[in-house]
Amino acid sequence: GAVVSQHPSRVICKSGTSVKIECRSLDFQATTMFWYRQFPKQSLMLMATSNEGSKATYEQGVEKDKFLINHASLTLSTLTVTSAHPEDSSFYICSAVDPNTEAFFGQGTRLTVV
Amino acid sequence: SQQGEEDPQALSIQEGENATMNCSYKTSINNLQWYRQNSGRGLVHLILIRSNEREKHSGRLRVTLDTSKKSSSLLITASRAADTASYFCATESGGSYIPTFGRGTSLIVHP
Repeated sequence: GAVVSQHPSRVICKSGTSVKIECRSLDFQATTMFWYRQFPKQSLMLMATSNEGSKATYEQGVEKDKFLINHASLTLSTLTVTSAHPEDSSFYICSAVDPNTEAFFGQGTRLTVV
Repeated sequence: SQQGEEDPQALSIQEGENATMNCSYKTSINNLQWYRQNSGRGLVHLILIRSNEREKHSGRLRVTLDTSKKSSSLLITASRAADTASYFCATESGGSYIPTFGRGTSLIVHP
């Protein structure tokens, strides 16, 4: 089946630095990818919709200058957490839409900001 | 507000017992999916059921969908300790392909 690869799976960074998370669709072209965030013991919350070749659409309350999304190709979207702070520590998951079937999810990235 | 709401929020059973989780949603859907998430890990897709389907099986999993009641259930038969995880339902509506998740059911299976 279709596979979505998300990298890295875990990252620890210092407060004030930036972290880039990659989401790749391995065997299909995804014009649309989604980025979710999950706090402990809570559900996934949609952060933004990433569209290839255009600006991402952010959900209400998500700072677009804080969470930079780039969808430069049909198989890659990146989420950059800029000037990370401890409150940005969370689990981030991407999903990519295979237009012929459904959305597939990456394995997630555990971000810890110290 | 979230589209899907799972019930119960937490479920604790003994190995070998069946586990039933329910999901209710508010608006018309194209399909409903169930996912599993082990602690700190990514989502694993379990089953997708389309709005014109009423029941699907996959191994020990059985999913039902009642569009008149806007609800779905996930049944895990003969549960195992390895089934311990959180289970989420996610609905897709319109042409958006954006899954909307419920809060999940935390299942603990005691050996």
